[in-house]
Amino acid sequence: QPVLTQPPSASASLGASVTLTCTLSSGYSNYKVDWYQQRPGKGPRFVMRVGTGGIVGSKGDGIPDRFSVLGSGLNRYLTIEDIQEEDESDFHCGADHGSGNNFVYVFGSGTKLTVL
Amino acid sequence: EVQLVESGGGLIQRGESLRLSCAASGFTVSSNYMTWVRQAPGKGLEWVSVIYRGVTTYYADSVKGRFTISRDSAKNTLYLQMNSLKAEDTAVYYCARVNSGDPNLYFDSWGQGTLVTVSS
Repeated sequence: QPVLTQPPSASASLGASVTLTCTLSSGYSNYKVDWYQQRPGKGPRFVMRVGTGGIVGSKGDGIPDRFSVLGSGLNRYLTIEDIQEEDESDFHCGADHGSGNNFVYVFGSGTKLTVL
Repeated sequence: EVQLVESGGGLIQRGESLRLSCAASGFTVSSNYMTWVRQAPGKGLEWVSVIYRGVTTYYADSVKGRFTISRDSAKNTLYLQMNSLKAEDTAVYYCARVNSGDPNLYFDSWGQGTLVTVSS
């Protein structure tokens, strides 16, 4: 099954932009990846799905236009522009590795975004 | 508005059992795929179990044979029965609705979680 790798931390100043990366293990370059945001002390919420062609489907409820995604090779990116204090969160990527007679969903280890 | 509220967590001894509940509102549990995901203290998310619209269920290898996912349509509630609990099962447990509109599934609504602490 795929391994999703995320850097443990990232930081950006208020009003700046930041790009978070989720890297799929070799052999899984066609996989779509889901991004989830988890604010401190809260449950996760779905942000959006990304493939090599960019966003797949729709953004999650309440996700602002400042959030966008790109995909290239084994990397899936989440970019946040004009960062606000409310964006300070853990960001998790995940992917469905299920088949017709099985279900497996794998997550990366998460990136903690600090707003400076 | 879709809402998921977990309950049933607490401090429990190793080897004992616990049942978590997830009360849903704003949609029908039996008409959707539903899942449990957990997060150990300071760690990332780990998928635990899923139940499809019928009786099909799947489990992560780490809980297979010990945990059972189920639902009560009349109560619009999802459950996770956890037996033979281990210290490594200590985590916040989240229930989530699965979006099955795409062949590749994802989790589009989540609860706030309930903490399970297994004491050794």
